[in-house]
Amino acid sequence: AQKVTQAQTEISVVEKEDVTLDCVYETRDTTYYLFWYKQPPSGELVFLIRRNSFDEQNEISGRYSWNFQKSTSSFNFTITASQVVDSAVYFCALSEDVSGGSNYKLTFGKGTLLTVNP
Amino acid sequence: GAVVSQHPSRVICKSGTSVKIECRSLDFQATTMFWYRQFPKQSLMLMATSNEGSKATYEQGVEKDKFLINHASLTLSTLTVTSAHPEDSSFYICSARETGTAKLFFGSGTQLSVL
Repeated sequence: AQKVTQAQTEISVVEKEDVTLDCVYETRDTTYYLFWYKQPPSGELVFLIRRNSFDEQNEISGRYSWNFQKSTSSFNFTITASQVVDSAVYFCALSEDVSGGSNYKLTFGKGTLLTVNP
Repeated sequence: GAVVSQHPSRVICKSGTSVKIECRSLDFQATTMFWYRQFPKQSLMLMATSNEGSKATYEQGVEKDKFLINHASLTLSTLTVTSAHPEDSSFYICSARETGTAKLFFGSGTQLSVL
């Protein structure tokens, strides 16, 4: 069975601080996708990144960066120089085996509420 | 980019009535769509997987007669909450997988409040 653990329930930082959101996952599949989504107070899910299990390269997109460590089953997300607009709930998610007719169901972590104070 | 339209965004209904939520892929085909439910300050829980032209696959513990799913075309899936009760009040969100890819796109969600 798949499982995604976001141990940090809530994080509060002051603007311009860097913050890292942790994500640890469990799966028996050798092929899978990992995702991060942002859910602002308005409720919609905003896609941030999708990473294939075979691609362990770290990725940077503006102030966002992701550290995928297959050896520790972690896919951590760092926001550099945080801003008030970054305040939201962030979800890490895992999709099951993407080969052979799978339906790509997502298993979500419980989310981390990030509050960035001015 | 690809857009998934979910409608309505908010609905308030009386207990015992049925509510239909639509999830529509606007510029791509979606053979598979997913329906999630989210309670306040909780994670998203998958309710069912909807495949075009076939019966939906429900997750364990989800009542199929309570949550009717129809996926009659490659761009539209509907979730009908039948005989809604206050405990059905929740945020429902759909996602659509672009046919032939692993790309998933989410709707903006529907806040259901049953009085």
